[in-house]
Amino acid sequence: AQSVTQLGSHVSVSEGALVLLRCNYSSSVPPYLFWYVQYPNQGLQLLLKYTSAATLVKGINGFEAEFKKSETSFHLTKPSAHMSDAAEYFCAVREGGATNKLIFGTGTLLAVQP
Amino acid sequence: GAVVSQHPSRVICKSGTSVKIECRSLDFQATTMFWYRQFPKQSLMLMATSNEGSKATYEQGVEKDKFLINHASLTLSTLTVTSAHPEDSSFYICSATGISGNTIYFGEGSWLTVV
Repeated sequence: AQSVTQLGSHVSVSEGALVLLRCNYSSSVPPYLFWYVQYPNQGLQLLLKYTSAATLVKGINGFEAEFKKSETSFHLTKPSAHMSDAAEYFCAVREGGATNKLIFGTGTLLAVQP
Repeated sequence: GAVVSQHPSRVICKSGTSVKIECRSLDFQATTMFWYRQFPKQSLMLMATSNEGSKATYEQGVEKDKFLINHASLTLSTLTVTSAHPEDSSFYICSATGISGNTIYFGEGSWLTVV
């Protein structure tokens, strides 16, 4: 079965610094991987997704993620953090087969310090 | 782009009563909808998967008689929490995908507080 692990439940960076949120996956088949952002009291917004095309995926708000099969990783990065990036970030893998179920990681809360 | 809307965004109900949450796809036909539950500061836990016109498939440990899911049309799924208790208080989020299944869209979530 597929699963994702997010290392670091809380990450704090300074405004303008690099953002790196870690996600490792476990899957017996080529995975579909996703990063979602959740602002307080809101639903989830898709940042980007990997669907077996280019390994470097660019998303919204300047975020990108690189699929590394050898490391089973799909880390999310942004070169320069902005105050508005403060939110909860979830990595997810889509379960294989006919289902489109998403399996979510435990989430990483990103704080951006001025 | 595609939009999934949930209603109500917040609801307070008395213990023992039932409450219904709607999930609508506004500009696409949602062949599959998912219902998640999220406790404060925790991840999303899938409760059930519903396909239009058929019975929902519940995840292990989710009481199907307590959390009634109906997906009667390609644009609407409902979650009814029956005989609600304070421990049912949570943030409920739906998501939907169309025939291609390539993209999953999430609703804005519904806060349920049972008093």
